[in-house]
Amino acid sequence: AQSVTQLGSHVSVSEGALVLLRCNYSSSVPPYLFWYVQYPNQGLQLLLKYTSAATLVKGINGFEAEFKKSETSFHLTKPSAHMSDAAEYFCAVKVNTGFQKLVFGTGTRLLVSP
Amino acid sequence: EAGVAQSPRYKIIEKRQSVAFWCNPISGHATLYWYQQILGQGPKLLIQFQNNGVVDDSQLPKDRFSAERLKGVDSTLKIQPAKLEDSAVYLCASSADRAGNSPLHFGNGTRLTVT
Repeated sequence: AQSVTQLGSHVSVSEGALVLLRCNYSSSVPPYLFWYVQYPNQGLQLLLKYTSAATLVKGINGFEAEFKKSETSFHLTKPSAHMSDAAEYFCAVKVNTGFQKLVFGTGTRLLVSP
Repeated sequence: EAGVAQSPRYKIIEKRQSVAFWCNPISGHATLYWYQQILGQGPKLLIQFQNNGVVDDSQLPKDRFSAERLKGVDSTLKIQPAKLEDSAVYLCASSADRAGNSPLHFGNGTRLTVT
C-alpha cells in the first residue's frame, strides 16, 4: 500500500535558518507526492506537488522539495525561515483508485524562534 | 472564488449524543471529501463523493457515521451516537476533477469535542 512517513513530529529552527522537513514514501508505482501546510485553526493549503515532470519542485512561500527515487524521499526545504512559516506541514501521497485519494503523513510542526 | 465553507467551527457534545456537520464546496467542484483529523495525526479520509454518489467510504465507521450529498452540492456528515474517540477536527475538501489533476481545497474544519 502506498504511504508516507514523516520523520520528526517537531522541528525547531531560528529565523533565517534553513528549514528541512523530511518525508519518505512507500509506493510500488511512480508516486504523486504533495506537501500541505496547516496554520492554526485553519484547513490545509497546498504548498507544492510532484507529478513526475521534474524532480525539483518549487512551491509557494519560497518552499521547494526534491524527489529522490533512490532514497524514496521527498523532503521539503526553505533556505531561510520566517516567523510566518510556523505551522504544521503534511506530506501526502496520491493513491490511485481511479479517483484521487490522498493519504497523509502524521505531520511535522515547525517552530520558528526569533 | 469563495472557498470551502464549513459549519459549525466548534461543537461540544456529550458521548452518546448526535451531531451533524455541514459543508459547502467550491462552486462547480464535483468531488467532495470528508477527512477526520485526530490531534497529533494526519487527516484520514472518511468518505469521498463524486457529484452525489459515494466512491469511497471504506474508512467510514458506518455503524455510527453517515454522510450524504444531496443534489451533488452541499454535504452533511452525521455521527450518532458519538464516542469519546470521535473528538477530532472534521475537514471538508473539494476538487474540480476526480483524476487528481486539480488540487484539493480544504475548509477550516469543525472541531468536535466529545465529553
